[in-house]
Amino acid sequence: DQQVKQNSPSLSVQEGRISILNCDYTNSMFDYFLWYKKYPAEGPTFLISISSIKDKNEDGRFTVFLNKSAKHLSLHIVPSQPGDSAVYFCAASATGSARQLTFGSGTQLTVLP
Amino acid sequence: DGGITQSPKYLFRKEGQNVTLSCEQNLNHDAMYWYRQDPGQGLRLIYYSQIVNDFQKGDIAEGYSVSREKKESFPLTVTSAQKNPTAFYLCASSVRQPMNTEAFFGQGTRLTVV
Repeated sequence: DQQVKQNSPSLSVQEGRISILNCDYTNSMFDYFLWYKKYPAEGPTFLISISSIKDKNEDGRFTVFLNKSAKHLSLHIVPSQPGDSAVYFCAASATGSARQLTFGSGTQLTVLP
Repeated sequence: DGGITQSPKYLFRKEGQNVTLSCEQNLNHDAMYWYRQDPGQGLRLIYYSQIVNDFQKGDIAEGYSVSREKKESFPLTVTSAQKNPTAFYLCASSVRQPMNTEAFFGQGTRLTVV
């Protein structure tokens, strides 16, 4: 039973345009959400997070939106750059769960020059 | 430089052998985690530890064992009981809950059974 789902395994975007990566979750106890970026044969690196008390968090070119009623979050990257090409993982955690992260299956983003 | 170090980066194991993956952190984090990644899948939690001398099973603990004798170290042993051990293993650490915080990951160890 996947509690965090990323339904798009891949996404291609032209350089300079917006990339939108989506994530859905089923566990209503999740109250903290994160996005990680991962290159092949490397560990994930943290990008941006959002607490369930907010609906938007912005950091430079990266913005995360949270829609609690729809149990949906999205990561917007604008403008997209070729260096953004990587696998993006959505993750979630819940208070009282020892804060272990539950990950989605990832979306491969390719930014075309 | 603060961070998490996993070693070795690549590891080959013969069937029937146990093998231990190393994970060391100097971030002064209380919590440490082991995840496994298979192709086309997300990261799945094997074991986690919130404090020295205590650890809990994650979603896929069968065939694995851990120890947490020091705050800085959280080694993972892949035993011969693990039926499909070939995978990319990731260690992570974070400050202890209930704080909302990200986990920091090491560079991973790719284990191949030959």
